[in-house]
Amino acid sequence: GAGVSQTPSNKVTEKGKYVELRCDPISGHTALYWYRQSLGQGPEFLIYFQGTGAADDSGLPNDRFFAVRPEGSVSTLKIQRTERGDSAVYLCASSVAGQVFGYTFGSGTRLTVV
Amino acid sequence: AQTVTQSQPEMSVQEAETVTLSCTYDTSESDYYLFWYKQPPSRQMILVIRQEAYKQQNATENRFSVNFQKAAKSFSLKISDSQLGDAAMYFCAYRRGGATNKLIFGTGTLLAVQP
Repeated sequence: GAGVSQTPSNKVTEKGKYVELRCDPISGHTALYWYRQSLGQGPEFLIYFQGTGAADDSGLPNDRFFAVRPEGSVSTLKIQRTERGDSAVYLCASSVAGQVFGYTFGSGTRLTVV
Repeated sequence: AQTVTQSQPEMSVQEAETVTLSCTYDTSESDYYLFWYKQPPSRQMILVIRQEAYKQQNATENRFSVNFQKAAKSFSLKISDSQLGDAAMYFCAYRRGGATNKLIFGTGTLLAVQP
């Protein structure tokens, strides 16, 4: 596609529920990143995929968070047993492998846990 | 660990005037990159300008320029001839050189442009 697409744009869920957030990167971009932006903060790195594999998942806060990219294109961020502290904007970005400056961000999913 | 600090939570500038946003960072690396991103209400992060640490010359992109002081670990953004469309959150970001592509962001500065 022309840009990085994230769905849904907004998601409200109840505490304890499971949610999935989807990222559709730019066609041909092999690198994909997830960031979490809490209110009043800058984005914080969660995980980086190169192709189908997670090259760096050091930012995932705990084992309730998991992300997959089975075919090296679309990625899904999965959050189990959601907590109110998980409320944030989840941003996805993609780039051509090895390109230092080529991040393109999506518009994010605003997750609200009530 | 690397950190990025933006000490100005909010700034305001008159249309057509110049404003400077501050950013400092801490790293022990010699190879790194610095960025300024703009985030409008649409939430999409848009790259404004970038600087490679090995380059002494300050980067410039049209009305946007940086003052990169490597020894002081300072990386400020100057916006000249401010326009209403410049109003947004601005984030300073750091990326270590090498294979990692992870960005470390500051907490942001909200810029208001007064007509």
